[in-house]
Amino acid sequence: AQTVTQSQPEMSVQEAETVTLSCTYDTSESDYYLFWYKQPPSRQMILVIRQEAYKQQNATENRFSVNFQKAAKSFSLKISDSQLGDAAMYFCAYRSVGSARQLTFGSGTQLTVLP
Amino acid sequence: EPEVTQTPSHQVTQMGQEVILRCVPISNHLYFYWYRQILGQKVEFLVSFYNNEISEKSEIFDDQFSVERPDGSNFTLKIRSTKLEDSAMYFCASRSGGQETQYFGPGTRLLVL
Repeated sequence: AQTVTQSQPEMSVQEAETVTLSCTYDTSESDYYLFWYKQPPSRQMILVIRQEAYKQQNATENRFSVNFQKAAKSFSLKISDSQLGDAAMYFCAYRSVGSARQLTFGSGTQLTVLP
Repeated sequence: EPEVTQTPSHQVTQMGQEVILRCVPISNHLYFYWYRQILGQKVEFLVSFYNNEISEKSEIFDDQFSVERPDGSNFTLKIRSTKLEDSAMYFCASRSGGQETQYFGPGTRLLVL
């Protein structure tokens, strides 16, 4: 079974600065998908960014980018020019390739953005 | 932009009662999921549903749980006899056949007293 580990329960960043959230995972599969979801206080789960394991290029989405290190099984999220609205719980998630495969989530990192 | 909706947003029930949580997935999506999140804990997979049957289920999804897609638009999760430990946020998610991303609903907060 796959596991996802987020070793930073809490992080903080100054507004306009950059922060990196860590995620590692354990799998024996060679192809899979990785995701970062954001959960603000409303508790809605919002997709931030997605990475396909077969792609060497790191995914980017505006101020959000990932550092995907397949050999190290590492998938960190970088938030540039942090904004107050970025404050939320961030979950890293893994999904196997296959028709109805579910997401396996990490325990989350609570990000605080300081004004 | 289409989105997943869930009703009710909050539900309070007595232990032993049955509850039905409702979800309307995005209309052209084919895969449906239920997850739950106990307060302060990680999001856990319950069940996936495709082509009118369960595809996978976790150990949490025991005989007290069932899912149904009664009318082609709604996707429901039933808990037959609720326990205190069923108190959690329940999320529905859906995915199209051509995409890998699951889109989540806003959740139903269930409190069992």
